Amino acid sequence: GDSVTQMEGPVTLSEEAFLTINCTYTATGYPSLFWYVQYPGEGLQLLLKATKADDKGSNKGFEATYRKETTSFHLEKGSVQVSDSAVYFCALSFYGGSQGNLIFGKGTKLSVKP
Amino acid sequence: SAVISQKPSRDICQRGTSLTIQCQVDSQVTMMFWYRQQPGQSLTLIATANQGSEATYESGFVIDKFPISRPNLTFSTLTVSNMSPEDSSIYLCSVGYGGRSGETQYFGPGTRLLVL
Repeated sequence: GDSVTQMEGPVTLSEEAFLTINCTYTATGYPSLFWYVQYPGEGLQLLLKATKADDKGSNKGFEATYRKETTSFHLEKGSVQVSDSAVYFCALSFYGGSQGNLIFGKGTKLSVKP
Repeated sequence: SAVISQKPSRDICQRGTSLTIQCQVDSQVTMMFWYRQQPGQSLTLIATANQGSEATYESGFVIDKFPISRPNLTFSTLTVSNMSPEDSSIYLCSVGYGGRSGETQYFGPGTRLLVL
């Protein structure tokens, strides 16, 4: 079945370090891909998305490119801040027809130290 | 985007009781979903709340345990029935909104449930 695999956490970085969180997917078609972020004590927030191959989603300095050939959607940020400490979830979804549910990875906890 | 609120934000309940969680959206939406996030785990879809008809449940979830109502396009409830400690989780509602229905989902803040 369809699935999402994220790198295991937790990830601990110093402020201004470069961030990469790997995400790969298995799907029978061509899903849309998402990154969601969950800050401590809060619900999920959509961070960015991409709907087709080679699309780049970006928001708040984070970027991820939809790579069909490698079935990947890695999250990157050039310089992390303490405020980026959160759990990051990669997810996929298919258009309409189906129930439209999101299939999530297990999440990667990021801690940024000053 | 949609503004989504949930009530209660958190609760502590005794085993064997039931809790109803409310989800309110500030605009009419076609698709609403209920998810469960068990401690330290990812999110799992419980069901799709359909307006005017019965909810559609995912494998492993049944209506008797998680009855859902969707009386209109801005509101839904999820009941966790006959609770046990294994039901301790965060329960989130989400809506499919904007663009192609269901592809972009926005989540409520969640209801943190602890069952003793």
